[in-house]
Amino acid sequence: QSVLTQPPSVSAAPGQKVTISCSGSSSNIGNNYVSWYQQLPGTAPKLLIYENNKRPSGIPDRFSGSKSGTSATLGITGLQTGDEADYYCGTWDSSLSALFGGGTKLTVL
Amino acid sequence: EVQLVESGGGLVQPGGSLRLSCAASGFTFSSYEMNWVRQAPGKGLEWVSYISSSGSTIYYADSVKGRFTISRDNAKNSLYLQMNSLRAEDTAVYYCARYQEGGDFDYWGQGTLVTVSS
Repeated sequence: QSVLTQPPSVSAAPGQKVTISCSGSSSNIGNNYVSWYQQLPGTAPKLLIYENNKRPSGIPDRFSGSKSGTSATLGITGLQTGDEADYYCGTWDSSLSALFGGGTKLTVL
Repeated sequence: EVQLVESGGGLVQPGGSLRLSCAASGFTFSSYEMNWVRQAPGKGLEWVSYISSSGSTIYYADSVKGRFTISRDNAKNSLYLQMNSLRAEDTAVYYCARYQEGGDFDYWGQGTLVTVSS
């Protein structure tokens, strides 16, 4: 059971928009930046969003992040079949531990 | 180009030891904090350990504290994870990951598989 709560799965049709939530507490998300990672099947995780809403170079603006209080959200617009992957939120805790959400499997129908 | 290449994984018996290495290139390794993150088969990501750029500050997940030791050799651009008293639940792909100021991991290696089984 992860400290950060994500839905196990989400799905949407190509071209549509999907959001993935990540819920924590004041000891983690509430007082730290949130990052998001994409893990395509059989590959290492890749940084998608850092510091709540910033995109690394090369990440398309179809991907966005936001944070409010003790929750964060990843948004993906213009869904493509290549976006099918597992998505993880991450942050740090006041106990000096890094935390990851349990992961959300995105299916593009 | 930033590259992180892990090695040292393999099959080990419960109670045994293994040392993982992560060779870094394409950036000034001595300027960056580093981490180990693992992923059990079919499971999510689990942070394992953090080390500061100089090696003076280290953190561990409770699940590995007292059994695993993180270290680095900045002269060799290498990160290490010494794993002792291994358990079946330590079976996972182990990734080294570069740490950014905001608390995220911006580059990951391809991972090395550790299997603890008799």
